[in-house]
Amino acid sequence: DTAVSQTPKYLVTQMGNDKSIKCEQNLGHDTMYWYKQDSKKFLKIMFSYNNKELIINETVPNRFSPKSPDKAHLNLHINSLELGDSAVYFCASSTEQELQPQHFGDGTRLSIL
Amino acid sequence: RKEVEQDPGPFNVPEGATVAFNCTYSNSASQSFFWYRQDCRKEPKLLMSVYSSGNEDGRFTAQLNRASQYISLLIRDSKLSDSATYLCVVKAGGYQKVTFGIGTKLQVIP
Repeated sequence: DTAVSQTPKYLVTQMGNDKSIKCEQNLGHDTMYWYKQDSKKFLKIMFSYNNKELIINETVPNRFSPKSPDKAHLNLHINSLELGDSAVYFCASSTEQELQPQHFGDGTRLSIL
Repeated sequence: RKEVEQDPGPFNVPEGATVAFNCTYSNSASQSFFWYRQDCRKEPKLLMSVYSSGNEDGRFTAQLNRASQYISLLIRDSKLSDSATYLCVVKAGGYQKVTFGIGTKLQVIP
């Protein structure tokens, strides 16, 4: 019974390519997130969607475009991949009630050659 | 000042020791606080929420000090399996913006 699942788990591709990562949650949460964790291990929020609407958009290049077809799904499309995009990307979900934590997917390890 | 600050460590402690981590936050409007644990190359997992009155879960105790804007995590009787990175998480804002600290690395040594 996977709560937050993201695919693929590993993604190795060449610079300049376009790729997508998918995320789905079956927890009934109304908010979903994308995080990037780079080689320095710092976990940084990229986007947050609440009921399919973008509510947080941190300073992220326009090459990154999230899409939420429904509140259980949040996908991330990346255009023109660059070496600096190599990182682990985590999807998470939560409710917006106070004291409710986020639940994370097990990450997508993106390596740019 | 960073929104959430933690000492990255590493903290190297012997088995059985008691170790404490602190985390400071800058946004006085922060409402919810958590400690997560992250093992190498894995996703962060919730260790415990931090309640205003402080709370305990087995060997783990979390405290919140709103006046000084910090939270703490105390681990008693450290086990080898406690070796991990401990992330401080603060939730604030109208849409509950979540900010992670950089994490404190703990290594429990036999």
